[in-house]
Amino acid sequence: DSGVTQTPKHLITATGQRVTLRCSPRSGDLSVYWYQQSLDQGLQFLIQYYNGEERAKGNILERFSAQQFPDLHSELNLSSLELGDSALYFCASSTGPGQGGTEAFFGQGTRLTVV
Amino acid sequence: QKEVEQDPGPLSVPEGAIVSLNCTYSNSAFQYFMWYRQYSRKGPELLMYTYSSGNKEDGRFTAQVDKSSKYISLFIRDSQPSDSATYLCAMSETGGGNKLTFGTGTQLKVEL
Repeated sequence: DSGVTQTPKHLITATGQRVTLRCSPRSGDLSVYWYQQSLDQGLQFLIQYYNGEERAKGNILERFSAQQFPDLHSELNLSSLELGDSALYFCASSTGPGQGGTEAFFGQGTRLTVV
Repeated sequence: QKEVEQDPGPLSVPEGAIVSLNCTYSNSAFQYFMWYRQYSRKGPELLMYTYSSGNKEDGRFTAQVDKSSKYISLFIRDSQPSDSATYLCAMSETGGGNKLTFGTGTQLKVEL
């Protein structure tokens, strides 16, 4: 158990809908990262928050947004869902703002299926 | 062309074999190199990380980085059935905010 908690574990929804994925980082970790894992693209970095502020951004679609709350949990909002958004969404956390090589601990992921 | 290339496998070896997993990359700004292990339906788990070129050993695992060739390797000695998983290489630039660029993963099966 990495100490990173993601809910829900599974989510099935229809195209055009909006969903929210939740992540609680390890105790004491200030950074939260979101990644998308699909069969054809592998693990893709979406976005990072550090202590409530956006720190780094990857190839995150405009239909997707995230935030980190004062208690350090984070939510990833996915809207106007398309079939191609079906994937595993992982949250990871680390202690600092993310110097290269800092160990990031991954949660178990949320499997999103868009039908 | 992807920034990080990794043979997807699957790779099947007998128990006790030495396993060699590799990645190549194109971004010369990558300074930190990691190997993650991912079991089916689980999150990635960090196995090894190295900074710049060189070797690092941890138990049965050895990571090698050759920045001049843009090539990294993970060796697993005395492989066990419990090593059966997908192995992902990952890299980040200095000060990259821990934004990791992953390979697509190599599926390994260690057979009895």
